[in-house]
Amino acid sequence: AQSVTQLDSHVSVSEGTPVLLRCNYSSSYSPSLFWYVQHPNKGLQLLLKYTSAATLVKGINGFEAEFKKSETSFHLTKPSAHMSDAAEYFCVVSDRMIKAAGNKLTFGGGTRVLVKP
Amino acid sequence: DGGITQSPKYLFRKEGQNVTLSCEQNLNHDAMYWYRQDPGQGLRLIYYSQIVNDFQKGDIAEGYSVSREKKESFPLTVTSAQKNPTAFYLCASSIGGTSVYEQYFGPGTRLTVT
Repeated sequence: AQSVTQLDSHVSVSEGTPVLLRCNYSSSYSPSLFWYVQHPNKGLQLLLKYTSAATLVKGINGFEAEFKKSETSFHLTKPSAHMSDAAEYFCVVSDRMIKAAGNKLTFGGGTRVLVKP
Repeated sequence: DGGITQSPKYLFRKEGQNVTLSCEQNLNHDAMYWYRQDPGQGLRLIYYSQIVNDFQKGDIAEGYSVSREKKESFPLTVTSAQKNPTAFYLCASSIGGTSVYEQYFGPGTRLTVT
């Protein structure tokens, strides 16, 4: 079975300061991991994905995440927050080796980011 | 423009009525999904379809039904048997198959049942 834990339900940062969103996962085999962003009353947009290539993954809008197998973590970071980064962020896992799962994704509970001017 | 459309954006229904949410994609994706999102929670999978004329129950299928008669369309019916139907519903699609690919999401439909 696979699961995702986002360690913070809310994160508040000042504009121009770094953002860190923490995510731990559990997966039986070799996971694929994703970060999605959701602005209010909108669908989800893919920020970045890890699928067993480089462990440091760069995404859109200056975000990046590092896959650490030993820590079962996939934390999302951005060096300098912008007002437009205020949104909810979801860490997502899928187990690549379980064929029966097809393309099923498991979502974390989300982290809401507030950016203060 | 390629993408996923969901209609309507807002939907209001009386308790006891069935309601159908539309989802269309022009990405030529094989797989389509329906999720439910409640305030402060992540997404929960209702139904998914890997190919036309085939679909599987997700984690919370009770009170919902789907059909997949065309590759580009995957409508969701919320029946009167669904105990708490008020929620934000998201449709997604992906390339499909047994490999894992990212899912692309529509803008969502907010359903309110009173």
